[in-house]
Amino acid sequence: KAGVTQTPRYLIKTRGQQVTLSCSPISGHRSVSWYQQTPGQGLQFLFEYFSETQRNKGNFPGRFSGRQFSNSRSEMNVSTLELGDSALYLCASSHPDRGSTDTQYFGPGTRLTVL
Amino acid sequence: QQQVKQSPQSLIVQKGGISIINCAYENTAFDYFPWYQQFPGKGPALLIAIRPDVSEKKEGRFTISFNKSAKQFSLHIMDSQPGDSATYFCAAITSGTYKYIFGTGTRLKVLA
Repeated sequence: KAGVTQTPRYLIKTRGQQVTLSCSPISGHRSVSWYQQTPGQGLQFLFEYFSETQRNKGNFPGRFSGRQFSNSRSEMNVSTLELGDSALYLCASSHPDRGSTDTQYFGPGTRLTVL
Repeated sequence: QQQVKQSPQSLIVQKGGISIINCAYENTAFDYFPWYQQFPGKGPALLIAIRPDVSEKKEGRFTISFNKSAKQFSLHIMDSQPGDSATYFCAAITSGTYKYIFGTGTRLKVLA
């Protein structure tokens, strides 16, 4: 079974631009979560989607948004990029029919650098 | 109250030694505590997890110790190997919230 895939793997943008990251979950997984990983902060929860609905969100500004499609693929968008948005963005999928604590499977991440 | 505090930030252990990483939490609603292992260039992968109704769980060389009254849990890696060199994250979640809270990570280096 293929794992979680994220595209692109690397991205360089300048301040003020906007960016869209993509995540394809494991086949059959309908829950997709997004995290921001930085050296000092660890993994910080951005939001979680299930059946095209955002069920939970973290404490990030409105510049961070996401969506999920009917095939469970998800995208996250960051508008008006700031230098502090440079991070590894991780996507994780799980099978919520087995409960909210079902194992999360992470993709390799998208490394975003904002210049 | 939503934080999970992890220590140490980095750890160097000799091959064959015991690696110990600690986490502490405040939110007593957390009821599932996984540990993740992350190698460079990869996403985190679930290593082992525990629920607060047990005080210890062991899988191979990896053991979680859980102290509910102290609101602390720790990961012990016995007979540490160079291949264990990675970053380890503890996490916590309240069932039904779909929102994991992660620690800040511990970079472990096992010397050959």
